[in-house]
Amino acid sequence: GNSVTQMEGPVTLSEEAFLTINCTYTATGYPSLFWYVQYPGEGLQLLLKATKADDKGSNKGFEATYRKETTSFHLEKGSVQVSDSAVYFCALSPSPGANSKLTFGKGITLSVRP
Amino acid sequence: DGGITQSPKYLFRKEGQNVTLSCEQNLNHDAMYWYRQDPGQGLRLIYYSQIVNDFQKGDIAEGYSVSREKKESFPLTVTSAQKNPTAFYLCASSIVSDSNQPQHFGDGTRLSIL
Repeated sequence: GNSVTQMEGPVTLSEEAFLTINCTYTATGYPSLFWYVQYPGEGLQLLLKATKADDKGSNKGFEATYRKETTSFHLEKGSVQVSDSAVYFCALSPSPGANSKLTFGKGITLSVRP
Repeated sequence: DGGITQSPKYLFRKEGQNVTLSCEQNLNHDAMYWYRQDPGQGLRLIYYSQIVNDFQKGDIAEGYSVSREKKESFPLTVTSAQKNPTAFYLCASSIVSDSNQPQHFGDGTRLSIL
């Protein structure tokens, strides 16, 4: 079956530090990949997505590249801000034509200190 | 603005009581989902529905029930059979026919036992 593995957390960084959050996946076919962000007390918001190999998703300074050869979709940001403190989830959606159920990683909490 | 509305934001249940969580969307999405979120466990799928009057069990359906009488609404009932109901519950919706499209989430309902 499909699965998503995220690096263990939590992660604590100083403002303006470089961020990498690792995500690897197991899936058949050609899944779509997503990063969601959850701010305290809220639901999940889509941060970025990539739908095919070598695609790069980007939003709000965050980037992630769909690497089929390493089955990875690592999230990066060059300079984090305090407002980036949240929980980040990596997720995959199965190949087109399948149902739209998402498989989520366990999430990782990021805390950015001033 | 289109979106997903979950109510109430906080809910308390007495032992042996059923409670119903509301989820309404005005995005004209066919598919709707219920997830349970526990600390350190990510999101787990309870039930999902891809069309009115039809729904399927997710990974942790025991102790829960749903209905889908209208496209806009997908209420979740937490029954007395669910022995550990304390959690954060998230509702989501999506375009069922396109797995490249993301799921949209509500702001969640936090359920606690009195």
